[in-house]
Amino acid sequence: GQQVMQIPQYQHVQEGEDFTTYCNSSTTLSNIQWYKQRPGGHPVFLIQLVKSGEVKKQKRLTFQFGEAKKNSSLHITATQTTDVGTYFCAGGTNNAGNMLTFGGGTRLMVKP
Amino acid sequence: EPEVTQTPSHQVTQMGQEVILRCVPISNHLYFYWYRQILGQKVEFLVSFYNNEISEKSEIFDDQFSVERPDGSNFTLKIRSTKLEDSAMYFCASSERAGGLYGYTFGSGTRLTVV
Repeated sequence: GQQVMQIPQYQHVQEGEDFTTYCNSSTTLSNIQWYKQRPGGHPVFLIQLVKSGEVKKQKRLTFQFGEAKKNSSLHITATQTTDVGTYFCAGGTNNAGNMLTFGGGTRLMVKP
Repeated sequence: EPEVTQTPSHQVTQMGQEVILRCVPISNHLYFYWYRQILGQKVEFLVSFYNNEISEKSEIFDDQFSVERPDGSNFTLKIRSTKLEDSAMYFCASSERAGGLYGYTFGSGTRLTVV
């Protein structure tokens, strides 16, 4: 079945440093979504990418969807302590119907 | 902002007992989902539901699991005979479009502990 891998699993950064998490799917995706889960919380939708090569920005967050629609990345510029949490990518395919397949997540820890 | 509501927030049950987890999706959403997350691990798909029937289910969603939308607002997940390995956080989610297009809204989850 479809697999979605994320690296790294954990990342410690000093406040102000940049952070990137990478997501790779075993199959071509119709769309990829990114979610943030704070410790003890639930996943919160951040963004969806649909087009090959698409780049979207939300303030300090930059999201990219690969040309082959099999990989994606999330880059945070100048991290803040409020960025702490686990970032999940989730891939959707036309074959899969309604489900999203989540990656394992990257847990971001920010030292003040 | 509209929310997905889940009850209870915590449930402790004895192995072999039945549990029902309840969810109230966002009112204008048409697609409903159950996911689970074992502590510290990835979010795993269980089942999706549309138009009063299951549209997709994973290997995890075996005969012990069932879903229902009994009254047009609630969406329930029943586990008939719980096992220790069913202990997890169960998240309900809903979306306006198929495949979670435009994103899922997740509830706060029910932490199920099977003892």
